[in-house]
Amino acid sequence: SQQGEEDPQALSIQEGENATMNCSYKTSINNLQWYRQNSGRGLVHLILIRSNEREKHSGRLRVTLDTSKKSSSLLITASRAADTASYFCATRPGANSKLTFGKGITLSVRP
Amino acid sequence: GAGVSQSPSNKVTEKGKDVELRCDPISGHTALYWYRQRLGQGLEFLIYFQGNSAPDKSGLPSDRFSAERTGESVSTLTIQRTQQEDSAVYLCASSLPGLAGAETQYFGPGTRLLVL
Repeated sequence: SQQGEEDPQALSIQEGENATMNCSYKTSINNLQWYRQNSGRGLVHLILIRSNEREKHSGRLRVTLDTSKKSSSLLITASRAADTASYFCATRPGANSKLTFGKGITLSVRP
Repeated sequence: GAGVSQSPSNKVTEKGKDVELRCDPISGHTALYWYRQRLGQGLEFLIYFQGNSAPDKSGLPSDRFSAERTGESVSTLTIQRTQQEDSAVYLCASSLPGLAGAETQYFGPGTRLLVL
């Protein structure tokens, strides 16, 4: 079964708008990571947030983590057509556990 | 430095044939993962190698699937007697385990397998 579940499954926005994607998980975690996958390619790591962190920023990306609600959100500000991709959250329950990926969110940014 | 590479990039085979997929991880990465991704779906964990430890094979879907890794280098994923439901993209990732599990995975471009 999936540890991380993203929502919405698909998101379509206009260029320049912000995109917010959510991830919920079931068990306690050591860290949560977000990855991006362009069509037909491998995944690329975007950002990692540890269980004792609440928010992290990287460029136009902002990730939040609420361990009490077992949820995370990925915000992409001022979206661009090139942000069109699938986005996956991945959780690691313990320091020595393997990463478990969600099913992903398909983001379409219309120019 | 080269990233993770996989070969072949595409493979078309007939039902019942065996296929072998190859992954070259980033040099020095002790951890190597194989995933399967069906069209429009998420990643399905298959197997995990970490150094000299016994591999975690808990994700292999059947005994037709097997994988090997030579030391901390190349890995091969073998699918015997392929079935049409094996059609998917097979992704390999490698990582260098870091402090308190905070390492990230570096993915190869995948092998697209089509079983006719």
